[in-house]
Amino acid sequence: EIVMTQSPATLSVSPGERATLSCRASQSVSSNLAWYQQNPGQAPRLLIYGASTRATGIPARFSGSGSGTEFTLTISSLQSEDFAVYYCQQYNNWPLGYTFGQGTKLEIK
Amino acid sequence: EVQLVESGGVVVQPGGSLRLSCAASGFTFDDYTMHWVRQAPGKGLEWVSLISWDGGSTYYTDSVKGRFTISRDNSKNSLYLQMNSLRTEDTALYYCAKAIGGYSSSFDYWGQGTLVTVSS
Repeated sequence: EIVMTQSPATLSVSPGERATLSCRASQSVSSNLAWYQQNPGQAPRLLIYGASTRATGIPARFSGSGSGTEFTLTISSLQSEDFAVYYCQQYNNWPLGYTFGQGTKLEIK
Repeated sequence: EVQLVESGGVVVQPGGSLRLSCAASGFTFDDYTMHWVRQAPGKGLEWVSLISWDGGSTYYTDSVKGRFTISRDNSKNSLYLQMNSLRTEDTALYYCAKAIGGYSSSFDYWGQGTLVTVSS
């Protein structure tokens, strides 16, 4: 099973600043990596797939990078609605699993 | 507009059974792989199962193999999850999710979830 590890667990950033979230895979997942945003009481929302492609309707301030085992989600200028929990997910190891990271909580500093 | 609406979540005793449903609309249902994903209270996301566009292939996470069965009825635009021999650790919010494409793709639409509580 591929293990996805996100860091940090909690990130405190001020509105308007940049946030950088990390995700590491225990083995290569190529570019088969997605990022999701989840607000309290809501379903996850796809932000990025293919490691760097923004999903439909996702603002340009969200960007993804990386391949293999190291990935980054960057939010360039934080808006109030961006404070949420973010999950990475690998889908390279189908159909044996589509493992998620444990999440990074992005909170207001 | 794509919509996924789950239903069927209730409180059930350990060892019991339950069938979840997911009604899909706003897209050509039988073109897409579909998934179930769950989230235990206060925890992260866990993939549970997938079914191919035609229902011909199904896959499960190890912890539910032999107990859960995923199925679909393309004539009704509906996805199902039959859950047997339920355990307390199956307590979670269950989401249905649409794949962007085939097996090797992320999930672009999610329902709001249905809560399954396994407790005596």
